[in-house]
Amino acid sequence: EVQLVESGGGLVKPGSSLKLSCVASGFTFSSYGMHWIRQAPKKGLEWIALIYYDSSNKYYADSVKGRFTISRDNSKNTLYLEMNSLRSEDTAMYYCAKEGANSDYFDYWGQGVMVTVSS
Amino acid sequence: ETTVTQSPASLSMAVGEKVSISCKTSTDIDDDMNWYQQKSGEAPKLLISEGNTLRPGVPSRFSSSGYGTDFVFTINNVLLGDEGIYYCQQSDNVPYTFGAGTKLELK
Repeated sequence: EVQLVESGGGLVKPGSSLKLSCVASGFTFSSYGMHWIRQAPKKGLEWIALIYYDSSNKYYADSVKGRFTISRDNSKNTLYLEMNSLRSEDTAMYYCAKEGANSDYFDYWGQGVMVTVSS
Repeated sequence: ETTVTQSPASLSMAVGEKVSISCKTSTDIDDDMNWYQQKSGEAPKLLISEGNTLRPGVPSRFSSSGYGTDFVFTINNVLLGDEGIYYCQQSDNVPYTFGAGTKLELK
């Protein structure tokens, strides 16, 4: 059974940093690209980052480019999202998601982790 | 960037009725459209992936059609358990973009 478990969220002040983790199990983590997707309270879904299976390529939404960094450790089956210079508009539930077979739909999602940016 | 325009924003249906949701994209995405269901307090769940492919375990009451820029998601014989928000998402090009969602309520 595929499982994705996020952690690392919390309440932080504007301008601060936070690092999210997503531990994967139930599939060969090193064979799949992984994504981060977020959802602001009562709002829709926003894709924010993709990392290839071998970390050879990374892509970001304009809203987080230059502030967020996606990374992975295939030896630990873990995906990361390092978030710097956080803003109030980054307040959201953050989901990690596994890519589908050879394509960029999201076939499995974690339960999400909440990040609140507020003074 | 490909913009995805989803309509309607909300639906109120009776059990047994047919639901139709439209997504239009600003660029041609072939058949790279996906559909998700999000129930209250839960993560989204993939229902249909590229090429109008029903995911394993998803009832055949759910279906989709479309190619290029116009896509339709359908639920036949809608049930109480189908309440939630439905999103379309294009997987043709980065940044991957979602429709704004359709909230489905059952009367």
